[in-house]
Amino acid sequence: DQQVKQNSPSLSVQEGRISILNCDYTNSMFDYFLWYKKYPAEGPTFLISISSIKDKNEDGRFTVFLNKSAKHLSLHIVPSQPGDSAVYFCAAKLSGGGADGLTFGKGTHLIIQP
Amino acid sequence: DAMVIQNPRYQVTQFGKPVTLSCSQTLNHNVMYWYQQKSSQAPKLLFHYYDKDFNNEADTPDNFQSRRPNTSFCFLDIRSPGLGDAAMYLCATSRDRASYQPQHFGDGTRLSIL
Repeated sequence: DQQVKQNSPSLSVQEGRISILNCDYTNSMFDYFLWYKKYPAEGPTFLISISSIKDKNEDGRFTVFLNKSAKHLSLHIVPSQPGDSAVYFCAAKLSGGGADGLTFGKGTHLIIQP
Repeated sequence: DAMVIQNPRYQVTQFGKPVTLSCSQTLNHNVMYWYQQKSSQAPKLLFHYYDKDFNNEADTPDNFQSRRPNTSFCFLDIRSPGLGDAAMYLCATSRDRASYQPQHFGDGTRLSIL
């Protein structure tokens, strides 16, 4: 059973507009959430993260919002640029301070239209 | 400058013929992970090393083994590959066991089984 879900396999946004990518999770023991960006033929690249003690984290054009009560997080990209076209993975890590790996969603393919 | 390097990028092997995938890192990170990603699926953790301590995921098949001879290198051995093992294999590292740290990925090895 998927513990991290990205329900939109793809999303198309016009250049200059806001891109909003969504992610839902089911395990309340997750306490660290990450977004990765992946271009074809490359590995995932870390983009931004948020710990469960926060509800927002911002880095330039990228902002991640966390709603713990709804078990939902979102990534906002403003303004969207052509180079943002990629697959975006949401990932989560269990609490406990151990070296447990990440649980990933299936990804959302973001396409920025000129 | 690649920090997590996977070789080869593409590997073709025959059904049942052992194969080894390689990962090296220049980050001097203590933890190294192996993930399997099948087409249109989320990356799935197979196992990880914290320093020399090996940690296997409960549902990782016995067919998959790993070695970490030193801090920089980690290998994934598939003893008798089946058709279902065709996938992208991703290596990742993180600095230590602390919860709030991202993992850094290599570009992956795409394994095909004939």
